Amino acid sequence: EPEVTQTPSHQVTQMGQEVILRCVPISNHLYFYWYRQILGQKVEFLVSFYNNEISEKSEIFDDQFSVERPDGSNFTLKIRSTKLEDSAMYFCASGGQTNQPQHFGDGTRLSIL
Amino acid sequence: RKEVEQDPGPFNVPEGATVAFNCTYSNSASQSFFWYRQDCRKEPKLLMSVYSSGNEDGRFTAQLNRASQYISLLIRDSKLSDSATYLCVVIGDNTDKLIFGTGTRLQVFP
Repeated sequence: EPEVTQTPSHQVTQMGQEVILRCVPISNHLYFYWYRQILGQKVEFLVSFYNNEISEKSEIFDDQFSVERPDGSNFTLKIRSTKLEDSAMYFCASGGQTNQPQHFGDGTRLSIL
Repeated sequence: RKEVEQDPGPFNVPEGATVAFNCTYSNSASQSFFWYRQDCRKEPKLLMSVYSSGNEDGRFTAQLNRASQYISLLIRDSKLSDSATYLCVVIGDNTDKLIFGTGTRLQVFP
């Protein structure tokens, strides 16, 4: 069964540093998403991406965050200057159609020191 | 009112038991509804979509009541491997973002 893959599985970074989280969505999917889950809390939407542009973003997704699809397969989330409160699991998801189930990668655990 | 509300549990049930989870959502215009399962420190995995007519997948039955803005999940003949957190997930109107509940934790014991 095709799956969404994410790298790295764990990233430890000093506060103020830039991080890039990488995702390879399912190959025939057109809709891409990032979510995050702070330890012990619910999964929260960050951003959706379709047709090479952001279609929706949450309040969490401020100017420190950006997304990119640099080639036909990768989808990245960049945090420009990390803060302690950015520590969380970051999940990438993809979907074949809007309003349909989204399939999640196994996540990147981001730890900011 | 929270967008998606669930009883956090935990629900501790013996193997073979039937257990039911409920969820309410606040936006009456919500379009799509799902149950996802999440194991500890893992990604959410789709368990099943939920339709107004109700749907069944093996031991799992999901039901949607649009009038009451209420979603349910019934698990029959619980297995040890069913132990996980069950996430009620909704897609609102004019959006395709998933809105998650906090999840209901299920622990099945021998």
